Amino acid sequence: LAKTTQPISMDSYEGQEVNITCSHNNIATNDYITWYQQFPSQGPRFIIQGYKTKVTNEVASLFIPADRKSSTLSLPRVSLSDTAVYYCLVGEYRNNNDMRFGAGTRLTVKP
Amino acid sequence: DSGVTQTPKHLITATGQRVTLRCSPRSGDLSVYWYQQSLDQGLQFLIQYYNGEERAKGNILERFSAQQFPDLHSELNLSSLELGDSALYFCASSDPGNTDEQFFGPGTRLTVL
Repeated sequence: LAKTTQPISMDSYEGQEVNITCSHNNIATNDYITWYQQFPSQGPRFIIQGYKTKVTNEVASLFIPADRKSSTLSLPRVSLSDTAVYYCLVGEYRNNNDMRFGAGTRLTVKP
Repeated sequence: DSGVTQTPKHLITATGQRVTLRCSPRSGDLSVYWYQQSLDQGLQFLIQYYNGEERAKGNILERFSAQQFPDLHSELNLSSLELGDSALYFCASSDPGNTDEQFFGPGTRLTVL
């Protein structure tokens, strides 16, 4: 399983763009990168998944460079409600049986 | 609402006791996962079942066991409880043939006194 490394915490202000980077140097050819968001006392919620280049959905963008050894979750114009823990996971696509959540990145959005 | 239900929502018990946590997956999801989240250890994967069979095992203690029944609901049994077992226990389900996305339930908060 590829190990992931993320910053423990980040602070931002409302309306700013937030970029959270995850390192995964040992990513395998069949691995995809998935990000989850977790609010206090709630289960994690899927945000976005990608393999290479850029993926965008209604809540976030995911940038993956050509070497795939890192990825960046981008949250545009954050609000107070985006305060949460964000987890980066790496695993084989559609065979990701053993999801290892690390400590995640605790994002605090300030007014 | 993820479609995954967990009961009970809260559970308070004493050391040495045994409890059972229940999870009903989303309709059609064949895989069920159990996670433990305590304050000092983050979210820990315990075990996964797929269509009644154990598929992957994580950091699950020998005092803990789980099973998935023919109707696909799952139970996590915790025995000889210790103070350190106090945590949030999440169940998640997925349809692994179509997506990697796991849908998490609201969790069961276990307090061992």
